[in-house]
Amino acid sequence: GAVVSQHPSWVICKSGTSVKIECRSLDFQATTMFWYRQFPKQSLMLMATSNEGSKATYEQGVEKDKFLINHASLTLSTLTVTSAHPEDSSFYICSASTAAYEQYFGPGTRLTVT
Amino acid sequence: QQQVKQSPQSLIVQKGGISIINCAYENTAFDYFPWYQQFPGKGPALLIAIRPDVSEKKEGRFTISFNKSAKQFSLHIMDSQPGDSATYFCAARNAGNMLTFGGGTRLMVKP
Repeated sequence: GAVVSQHPSWVICKSGTSVKIECRSLDFQATTMFWYRQFPKQSLMLMATSNEGSKATYEQGVEKDKFLINHASLTLSTLTVTSAHPEDSSFYICSASTAAYEQYFGPGTRLTVT
Repeated sequence: QQQVKQSPQSLIVQKGGISIINCAYENTAFDYFPWYQQFPGKGPALLIAIRPDVSEKKEGRFTISFNKSAKQFSLHIMDSQPGDSATYFCAARNAGNMLTFGGGTRLMVKP
């Protein structure tokens, strides 16, 4: 089956620093990848959609200068949280879309900003 | 119009019982309705999905019932097991391949 990995699985950083999260589709090429944020006991909220080789499309209310997304290849997308603050602490999940438009989710990255 | 409403928020079922989770949507442009299962600290995993031209889909103990006219769909878990205890999300996909998720249902199956 389609496998999506994320790295790191968890990260703790200090306020003001930047953190990069990688999302990889391991056994298929994903023209589109999605980034979600999930707060405890809440649903997944789409942050942005990224297509390989083009700029990401951000959802309303998501700061594009704070959450930098790069989709450099058909198997890799990265999310960089810049100048992180405690309120950015959350569970970040990516998904990758197959050619049949099915989305497969990564295992998530737990970010804690102290 | 993009909202997907899910109920109940939490559900407790005895082992062997039937778990039923319901979702409703407004946007008739949605073309694909997946259900995801999520365990704590993990990403969602696709469980089963249905397209609006089908009224029911069954895979093992999991069944989706779809009512296009009512704009509602539901997940039935037959013979529920303690290992089914997780959070379940319904979702709806638009033509742009974007998913809108329901609020989630925390299912606990008691032994």
